[in-house]
Amino acid sequence: AQRVTQPEKLLSVFKGAPVELKCNYSYSGSPELFWYVQYSRQRLQLLLRHISRESIKGFTADLNKGETSFHLKKPFAQEEDSAMYYCALNPTYNTDKLIFGTGTRLQVFP
Amino acid sequence: GAVVSQHPSRVICKSGTSVKIECRSLDFQATTMFWYRQFPKKSLMLMATSNEGSKATYEQGVEKDKFLINHASLTLSTLTVTSAHPEDSSFYICSAIPRQGAHNEQFFGPGTRLTVL
Repeated sequence: AQRVTQPEKLLSVFKGAPVELKCNYSYSGSPELFWYVQYSRQRLQLLLRHISRESIKGFTADLNKGETSFHLKKPFAQEEDSAMYYCALNPTYNTDKLIFGTGTRLQVFP
Repeated sequence: GAVVSQHPSRVICKSGTSVKIECRSLDFQATTMFWYRQFPKKSLMLMATSNEGSKATYEQGVEKDKFLINHASLTLSTLTVTSAHPEDSSFYICSAIPRQGAHNEQFFGPGTRLTVL
């Protein structure tokens, strides 16, 4: 079955601390993975995707097929990073649909 | 660019009535739109994929006669919750993929809060 797991509902850190939001997926094929972010009172928006291999707002995520993981990392968290983060899987290139994880709320304290 | 709107932002209705929610792509054409449902403190659950000019594709467990989807133009998709009941109360979110643009990037609407009394 296709599934995305985000084991942490809440992650709290202090400003300047490293952050790692975990995401594991279950999929038999070649996955396409995304991280979406939702800031307070704003809509969901794309943060980054694994095929781009880019860093957005200091965040990076590496696809590890061996561990079936796509963890989101940032070396130094900022207060403005506080938000809900959703990991998502596109199970087939033909349909573009997304399967979302349950989300992790990141709180960055000053 | 790539803005998606939803109307209404929130609606309260009586049990047994039908409610229509609109999803519009304001500055782009979208051949594909998606409808999600989000329960409190839970993930977004994909309900259906809406393709312009054709019937929507529903996910397993979603009643197509209960949640009617119409995608009549390249900028508008509607979700009608028919004979709504309190268990249909939820946050409904749509997204759209531009006809021309980055592959797979979905742009999300702000959501519609439905409360059925």
